[in-house]
Amino acid sequence: ELKVEQNPLFLSMQEGKNYTIYCNYSTTSDRLYWYRQDPGKSLESLFVLLSNGAVKQEGRLMASLDTKARLSTLHITAAVHDLSATYFCAVDDTNFGNEKLTFGTGTRLTIIP
Amino acid sequence: DAGVTQSPTHLIKTRGQHVTLRCSPISGHKSVSWYQQVLGQGPQFIFQYYEKEERGRGNFPDRFSARQFPNYSSELNVNALLLGDSALYLCASGRWAQYFGPGTRLTVT
Repeated sequence: ELKVEQNPLFLSMQEGKNYTIYCNYSTTSDRLYWYRQDPGKSLESLFVLLSNGAVKQEGRLMASLDTKARLSTLHITAAVHDLSATYFCAVDDTNFGNEKLTFGTGTRLTIIP
Repeated sequence: DAGVTQSPTHLIKTRGQHVTLRCSPISGHKSVSWYQQVLGQGPQFIFQYYEKEERGRGNFPDRFSARQFPNYSSELNVNALLLGDSALYLCASGRWAQYFGPGTRLTVT
């Protein structure tokens, strides 16, 4: 069974600082997703990573994928308050035979002024 | 173009009752997936439908069922509701569930 682990679970950081969220998964997969969720809201797709070494950037967020290590990172540069949210990574469970996503437990990010 | 739509937005039910949740995918998308998100956890896969056929089912009891209609909209049905069914139910449109709807928040009392 595919397992997806994120760390840290909670992250409180000051504005202007850099930090990285880690996502480890247990079996081979071709796709990894990052989502953002604001309190009481749905999921907003941030990045889709499709191959080993893939790197994508949007504003202050950058995501990368290392399929050999089964590791993805979400790097936050010069954090601002608007980035406060819960971030989930999700892995496409190709062993399932269809497009089933297995989500991590989420990282609750709080940016402190 | 409209995104993924879900109805109702909020719902309160009593234990033992039945509930039906509805989802309309993005126009042109033939796949719909359902996920359950309990407070404080990541979403859990319930079902995927593609071209009106069930493509996958997660580890949920038979009280959960779904179907997809010719216009690709979908219904999720839950029978004999339990307190533990209280959650945000998310519908995702398209292959690999890249586009999520706003969700239906179900509270079972």
